[in-house]
Amino acid sequence: KQEVTQIPAALSVPEGENLVLNCSFTDSAIYNLQWFRQDPGKGLTSLLLIQSSQREQTSGRLNASLDKSSGRSTLYIAASQPGDSATYLCALTGGGNKLTFGTGTQLKVEL
Amino acid sequence: GAGVSQSPSNKVTEKGKDVELRCDPISGHTALYWYRQSLGQGLEFLIYFQGNSAPDKSGLPSDRFSAERTGGSVSTLTIQRTQQEDSAVYLCASSHQTGERYEQYFGPGTRLTVT
Repeated sequence: KQEVTQIPAALSVPEGENLVLNCSFTDSAIYNLQWFRQDPGKGLTSLLLIQSSQREQTSGRLNASLDKSSGRSTLYIAASQPGDSATYLCALTGGGNKLTFGTGTQLKVEL
Repeated sequence: GAGVSQSPSNKVTEKGKDVELRCDPISGHTALYWYRQSLGQGLEFLIYFQGNSAPDKSGLPSDRFSAERTGGSVSTLTIQRTQQEDSAVYLCASSHQTGERYEQYFGPGTRLTVT
């Protein structure tokens, strides 16, 4: 059974700092990996999707990497802003298309 | 519409009552998913539809839970004889499959409270 863990569970940083969120998984047989953000009381917003054949994806200040052999993905956020405060979730698709979610990292960016 | 929509946004029901939750996927998306987000359990897969058929129902927690999809579009998740442990946010997602790119787009969710 796929297990997905995110470290740290919570993170507080000052505005402007660069930061890295980590996602680790136990089964490397994945189709793709998605990073989402979730604001309190809201649904999920897709940030980046990395297909199994790719190593990284970039969107604006966000960069996500994937290393299947080591079972790891990272989400890099450059020049963090208070509007980045949210819970960040990684999720994997294996056989069957369903997403298996990580435990989440709650990020707070302070002024 | 432009995104996945769900209704109602909030539902409070008494223990033992039946509830129906609705999901309207992005137009043209053939795959539809239901997930549940509850305190202490995180986000869990419930069921997946491809068109009107459900190849994977493995996440439904009990036979009180059922779902259907008609016309390859709207889906309804039904919970019979609700229990307090059913209280959670129920999220729906849809995707348009093109090769490996199974990016899923989520709706805002339905918050269910069973009293």
